[in-house]
Amino acid sequence: AQTVTQSQPEMSVQEAETVTLSCTYDTSESDYYLFWYKQPPSRQMILVIRQEAYKQQNATENRFSVNFQKAAKSFSLKISDSQLGDAAMYFCAYRSGGSGGSNYKLTFGKGTLLTVNP
Amino acid sequence: NAGVMQNPRHLVRRRGQEARLRCSPMKGHSHVYWYRQLPEEGLKFMVYLQKENIIDESGMPKERFSAEFPKEGPSILRIQQVVRGDSAAYFCASSPYGNDNYGYTFGSGTRLTVV
Repeated sequence: AQTVTQSQPEMSVQEAETVTLSCTYDTSESDYYLFWYKQPPSRQMILVIRQEAYKQQNATENRFSVNFQKAAKSFSLKISDSQLGDAAMYFCAYRSGGSGGSNYKLTFGKGTLLTVNP
Repeated sequence: NAGVMQNPRHLVRRRGQEARLRCSPMKGHSHVYWYRQLPEEGLKFMVYLQKENIIDESGMPKERFSAEFPKEGPSILRIQQVVRGDSAAYFCASSPYGNDNYGYTFGSGTRLTVV
């Protein structure tokens, strides 16, 4: 079974600074997808960014980018120019690719609580 | 286009009562997934449904929990004879396909408190 580990229960960053959240995963599959979700106090789960394992290029969405290291099974999230609205719990998630099996299940890490200091 | 709608947002039940959680998927989405978030934990898969079909309920506790997604109306997650350990946030997600590569759309969850 796949596992997702977020080793930083809490992180803090100064407004306008850059912060990196760590995520590692364990899988024997070669085809999969990785996601970062943001959960603000409203509890809404918001998709921040996604990465296909077969793509070597790191995904980028505005101030959010990832460092995907497939061999190391690492998928970190970098937030640049941090804003107060970025304060939230961030979850890393894994989903199998391919056409069979449980390729609809998301496996989540335990999350990292990000605080943004003004 | 309204997102995934879950209600109620908060639900308080006494031990032994029944809890019914509702989820209306996004328009055009026929695949629904339920996840549970225990305190200090990430979300864990419970069940995957299509209209009138349960596709995978491997994450559901064997007893007291059931889910349905009827032809008409919202998906329902039902917990009978609730216990304190059922206290959690329950999230519903939907997608137009069973293996949506773009990530699912989640609702805001229902926080169940069992007293």
